[in-house]
Amino acid sequence: GAGVSQSPSNKVTEKGKDVELRCDPISGHTALYWYRQSLGQGLEFLIYFQGNSAPDKSGLPSDRFSAERTGGSVSTLTIQRTQQEDSAVYLCASSLRDSSQPQHFGDGTRLSIL
Amino acid sequence: QQQVKQSPQSLIVQKGGIPIINCAYENTAFDYFPWYQQFPGKGPALLIAIRPDVSEKKEGRFTISFNKSAKQFSLHIMDSQPGDSATYFCAAIKGGSYIPTFGRGTSLIVHP
Repeated sequence: GAGVSQSPSNKVTEKGKDVELRCDPISGHTALYWYRQSLGQGLEFLIYFQGNSAPDKSGLPSDRFSAERTGGSVSTLTIQRTQQEDSAVYLCASSLRDSSQPQHFGDGTRLSIL
Repeated sequence: QQQVKQSPQSLIVQKGGIPIINCAYENTAFDYFPWYQQFPGKGPALLIAIRPDVSEKKEGRFTISFNKSAKQFSLHIMDSQPGDSATYFCAAIKGGSYIPTFGRGTSLIVHP
């Protein structure tokens, strides 16, 4: 596709369930980022992938959060045992190399934990 | 600790007005300052960016002013239009880093 694609666009689930969020970056983009955006807050960095290097997981808020990037392309963010405070919009972005290059964002997954 | 402070939180102007959004930072290691525009239900999109070696950058109706000594930078939107109504985020990135630090955003409404 022409842009970053995220799915699902909306997800409603019960507290305690696991969720998987998917990101398809722009073809050829080696850098991939996950962010969390809560109401009235800026974008909170979660994790960064660059090519085949080990990801920078320094922004993950707890061990319930994990992410993978398979084949240097598609990425999945997994949240285990969801809590109400996990409710937010999860945004994925990709860029050609690193953040000095423009980041192209997907439209996000709006996650609601009941 | 909020490394990039953005103000105001919200802003309302009339069409043709010049809204100004301000950001301030403390860390002098920041050396790249992008601005993003976000419409409801959409992801942010890069609008304009500046490095500290220049004091001003213009792209169309959007201008960034940068004051290195004051550690402040601002976005000005000339001849604002209702279509400019969106949330605007400033960000700052340290040299050699790849993780931007974002401000909390400014919700702009431009009335017709």
